[in-house]
Amino acid sequence: GENVGLHLPTLSVQEGDNSIINCAYSNSASDYFIWYKQESGKGPQFIIDIRSNMDKRQGQRVTVLLNKTVKHLSLQIAATQPGDSAVYFCAENPSNTGNQFYFGTGTSLTVIP
Amino acid sequence: NAGVTQTPKFRILKIGQSMTLQCTQDMNHNYMYWYRQDPGMGLKLIYYSVGAGITDKGEVPNGYNVSRSTTEDFPLRLELAAPSQTSVYFCASSIGLAVAQETQYFGPGTRLLVL
Repeated sequence: GENVGLHLPTLSVQEGDNSIINCAYSNSASDYFIWYKQESGKGPQFIIDIRSNMDKRQGQRVTVLLNKTVKHLSLQIAATQPGDSAVYFCAENPSNTGNQFYFGTGTSLTVIP
Repeated sequence: NAGVTQTPKFRILKIGQSMTLQCTQDMNHNYMYWYRQDPGMGLKLIYYSVGAGITDKGEVPNGYNVSRSTTEDFPLRLELAAPSQTSVYFCASSIGLAVAQETQYFGPGTRLLVL
């Protein structure tokens, strides 16, 4: 399988601070990436995605940065709220695998009130 | 819309038993997927379907079977349950190819324990 890994398995931040969750991928053929949020007992929920022809994409309070040179992906959450506490996964899609996605193990984010 | 629904929520199986995990979506999505999530691990694709009557293997298909007789339903079959199949199973659907930036919508999951 692919090596989609996360640098930190857990992350604690104060409410209102910004959070940064990192992800490394190993396949230089990957051209599409997704970040998911998974709350306890629930299925993953799409947050934001990015294609390899971009290096930054912004959503509501979230920004994804892609550095293809070092095969690194990050998710930035602005003004983190208690409702952001969850496990965050990155997933990559290598262009030569059709509809196959490879998921990272996840980072558990805890927001401290 | 209910989105993606899965039944049962939790099941305990004995080794060698069989069962079917049900998945239904009411969004008229063409693409459906089955993933398993082992503790502390990322999701792994078991099977997927691009439309009724069409299925294809994912990364970890051994020990599973699927069928897609309708657009709405995508059941996952375990014929001879093994302890290695203890996991949480997620079904997902999307309008088109996820690679086309069509979001995958996930169900709540089925927790399976094989003893």
